[in-house]
Amino acid sequence: QVQLVQSGAEVKKPGASVKVSCKASGYTFTAYSLHWVRQAPGQRLEWMGRINPDSGYTKYARRFQGRVTMTRDTSINTGYMDLTRLTSDDTVIYFCAREKPGATHAFDIWGQGTMVTVSS
Amino acid sequence: QSALTQPPSASGSPGQSVTISCTGTSSDVGDYDSVSWYRQLPGKAPKLLIYEVTERPSGVPDRFSGSKSGNTASLTVSGLQAEDEAAYHCSSYAGSNTWVFGGGTKLTVL
Repeated sequence: QVQLVQSGAEVKKPGASVKVSCKASGYTFTAYSLHWVRQAPGQRLEWMGRINPDSGYTKYARRFQGRVTMTRDTSINTGYMDLTRLTSDDTVIYFCAREKPGATHAFDIWGQGTMVTVSS
Repeated sequence: QSALTQPPSASGSPGQSVTISCTGTSSDVGDYDSVSWYRQLPGKAPKLLIYEVTERPSGVPDRFSGSKSGNTASLTVSGLQAEDEAAYHCSSYAGSNTWVFGGGTKLTVL
């Protein structure tokens, strides 16, 4: 079935970087944009950015520019989100999500989430 | 890219209807018919309920409906059921390939 499976939980020290992966299956990976959204437990969702897996084009939310890099490996249908200079504020759950086909601007398939903990 | 405004909580009794609002600006909600709504259970990923303001993906009951007026979108849940107790999030396309979410609303079924 159509699904996104993310990598497991991470624990990082302040100032370090984290790379979360998101493996797609059940659909043509390069046909639909992949977005990254994060959420502090029990808090609001926050859009971080998107990548077009076909072209590699990326767009990041202003507050993450310079700190986030989204990439993909089409040979293994996997997207990646790399976040640098981590602080305790980055201790949240990171989700990848597929943009629903048809220029709907909605997210129809979500990964299970990856918890990143930043602690010294 | 300020967050959309949702009430932090809403409630209703089984069988009743409840409406959750989502207020943005003329640069996001007011400018695009690209509002979507998600339901999220504790510890789970969000699930798409409504897209393009009023459209329901297959499998979503017609108890869930969406609307928009000006800069405010709304989600109405009719015939409340215990299983509807969850957090509900709105999202809007905000132009220039950017998106914005609301603060989320915790729906309690009394």
